[in-house]
Amino acid sequence: AQTVTQSQPEMSVQEAETVTLSCTYDTSESNYYLFWYKQPPSRQMILVIRQEAYKQQNATENRFSVNFQKAAKSFSLKISDSQLGDTAMYFCAFCNTGNQFYFGTGTSLTVIP
Amino acid sequence: GAVVSQHPSWVICKSGTSVKIECRSLDFQATTMFWYRQFPKQSLMLMATSNEGSKATYEQGVEKDKFLINHASLTLSTLTVTSAHPEDSSFYICSAGGASGPTDTQYFGPGTRLTVL
Repeated sequence: AQTVTQSQPEMSVQEAETVTLSCTYDTSESNYYLFWYKQPPSRQMILVIRQEAYKQQNATENRFSVNFQKAAKSFSLKISDSQLGDTAMYFCAFCNTGNQFYFGTGTSLTVIP
Repeated sequence: GAVVSQHPSWVICKSGTSVKIECRSLDFQATTMFWYRQFPKQSLMLMATSNEGSKATYEQGVEKDKFLINHASLTLSTLTVTSAHPEDSSFYICSAGGASGPTDTQYFGPGTRLTVL
């Protein structure tokens, strides 16, 4: 079974600053996908960014970027120019070729005005 | 973007009764849907994979006779919690999409809060 670990239960960042959320995973598969999802208080899951494991280039989506280290099985999320609307739970997720998602335990991010 | 709806958004029931939760893909067809369970301040736990026209695939530790899944059409999957008990109280989320594999975006429903008294 796949396991996804987020070692930071809670984090805070000053508005406009940069913050990095950590994620590690364990798998024996060679082809897989990694995601970061955001869950605001509404509890609606929102896709933040996606990375295909076969791509060496780190994915970037506006203020969000990842540092994907395949050998280390690490997939961290960097949020630049943090905004108040970024306050939410952030979940790292692993997806296998069977399209099954396995989520980490989440990191609660608070952006401080 | 594609929309996935869930109904009801919140249900309260008495212990021993059965509750059905619907998950619908509103503007696309989903051969596969997924059901998750989320306890307060915890992560999403994959319960089962719902396959249109065939039996669902359950994750280890999930009782298939307790959580009945039916995927009768390409736009509807249902989760029935049978003989619900207070420990079944949780937030249930479905997702759909990825018809072409994980490169497709998974769309999540807004979730259903189940409270068993």
